[in-house]
Amino acid sequence: NAGVTQTPKFQVLKTGQSMTLQCAQDMNHNSMYWYRQDPGMGLRLIYYSASEGTTDKGEVPNGYNVSRLNKREFSLRLESAAPSQTSVYFCASSKTSGGNTGELFFGEGSRLTVL
Amino acid sequence: QKEVEQNSGPLSVPEGAIASLNCTYSDRGSQSFFWYRQYSGKSPELIMSIYSNGDKEDGRFTAQLNKASQYVSLLIRDSQPSDSATYLCAVNMRDSWGKLQFGAGTQVVVTP
Repeated sequence: NAGVTQTPKFQVLKTGQSMTLQCAQDMNHNSMYWYRQDPGMGLRLIYYSASEGTTDKGEVPNGYNVSRLNKREFSLRLESAAPSQTSVYFCASSKTSGGNTGELFFGEGSRLTVL
Repeated sequence: QKEVEQNSGPLSVPEGAIASLNCTYSDRGSQSFFWYRQYSGKSPELIMSIYSNGDKEDGRFTAQLNKASQYVSLLIRDSQPSDSATYLCAVNMRDSWGKLQFGAGTQVVVTP
C-alpha cells in the first residue's frame, strides 16, 4: 500500500545543475500537486495537474517545469538550480479536483539543497 | 497580506488540557476548509475537513467554521504528548479553485 512515492528523498546540487523529482501514486487519483515547504512559509503550490494531460501553475512556478506522464506519474524538473530552490518538496495527490478538493495525500518529501 | 493566517506558536498545552488553534482567511467566497497535522520531519496528513458553518467533531478533534467572520478553528481535547506537531490550516479559495492555500502552521507542544 505505497500511496504516493517520491524520489529521491535527498539531493545536493550545485548552482546551475538540473534535476528531476519523480512522483508516482497508486490510488488512481486524478489530481496531482507539487508543493515546496520552507521554514515559516508553510506549503506553497508550485504546479498542479487536475487530470492526465493537463498542468497549471501554482503560486511559485518560476524556475520549475512539470510533466504529467500518465495518470500515475507527475515529475518536477529544475532546469538550472539556484540556492533559492533549497527546500523540502512534497508531491501530493487527490481523488478529485475543484471546489471540494482538499483531501490531499502526501509523499514523504524530497529534501533538496542547492549550493 | 497573507491569504491564510495562523499564529506560528509554539502553543504550549498541558497534557489533558484543550488546545485551541485559530486560522483566518481572506477570500469571503471560500467554500472548503481543512486541518492537516505535520510531525517534525514528516509529511502533512489530513485530520479534519469542514464545509459549513458550525462545529464538526471527530474523536478528540473539533473543527469550527464561521464564514461571516472568516475564521476556522481546531480544538484538541484531552491533549496528549502525541499531539505535539505543527497544524496547518488549508483553504480552497474561490479565485484559485482546486488549489489549496495553506497557512504557515501553528506548532503545538503538549507538556506532560
